[in-house]
Amino acid sequence: DTEVTQTPKHLVMGMTNKKSLKCEQHMGHRAMYWYKQKAKKPPELMFVYSYEKLSINESVPSRFSPECPNSSLLNLHLHALQPEDSALYLCASSQDGTAGEQFFGPGTRLTVL
Amino acid sequence: AQSVTQLGSHVSVSEGALVLLRCNYSSSVPPYLFWYVQYPNQGLQLLLKYTSAATLVKGINGFEAEFKKSETSFHLTKPSAHMSDAAEYFCAVGSGGYQKVTFGTGTKLQVIP
Repeated sequence: DTEVTQTPKHLVMGMTNKKSLKCEQHMGHRAMYWYKQKAKKPPELMFVYSYEKLSINESVPSRFSPECPNSSLLNLHLHALQPEDSALYLCASSQDGTAGEQFFGPGTRLTVL
Repeated sequence: AQSVTQLGSHVSVSEGALVLLRCNYSSSVPPYLFWYVQYPNQGLQLLLKYTSAATLVKGINGFEAEFKKSETSFHLTKPSAHMSDAAEYFCAVGSGGYQKVTFGTGTKLQVIP
């Protein structure tokens, strides 16, 4: 299984809602990543988990809260988002925390109203 | 600090013509270099990677790239473009032992019938 899965595919939420994005991989990878991608832009790194510990937080606002319950799962909890947070949220995983190949999921298209 | 520069945000080629997408990198240590492709509303897929083995790297779908240290370049080529190659292409750089991969701004490839 060389796949990273993300749910949901699409999410529409209001600014007062709380929602979560989910990412899963079964490749035995020990590093997992969240990226944000705006239209016609490259992915921007948000968080990196290495061996289930948060190792990089790219100064992301606290309305985004990552969680890594185990080595296969990565969540992104969303609360009180702004319309400018609307974007494609991509999850990726890699074998370990070094800059090797990252496998990307298909993304969650988030719209904040 | 590490970075990549992709020359040309849009490239158009005729079907059957040579594809050349340019990428120059900047890294203070020997780099890992990647080319990813992204089709509309999808995640990123790795085309190929350079990790200090052979300087000519062959990837999927007939793509290849050559690492030229003297020119700090890692250009992507394909001898004959197919309509299915139309997509966004991202060059990326990482460093060994360093978790952060930095993406270029992307090049949108259009293939004209």
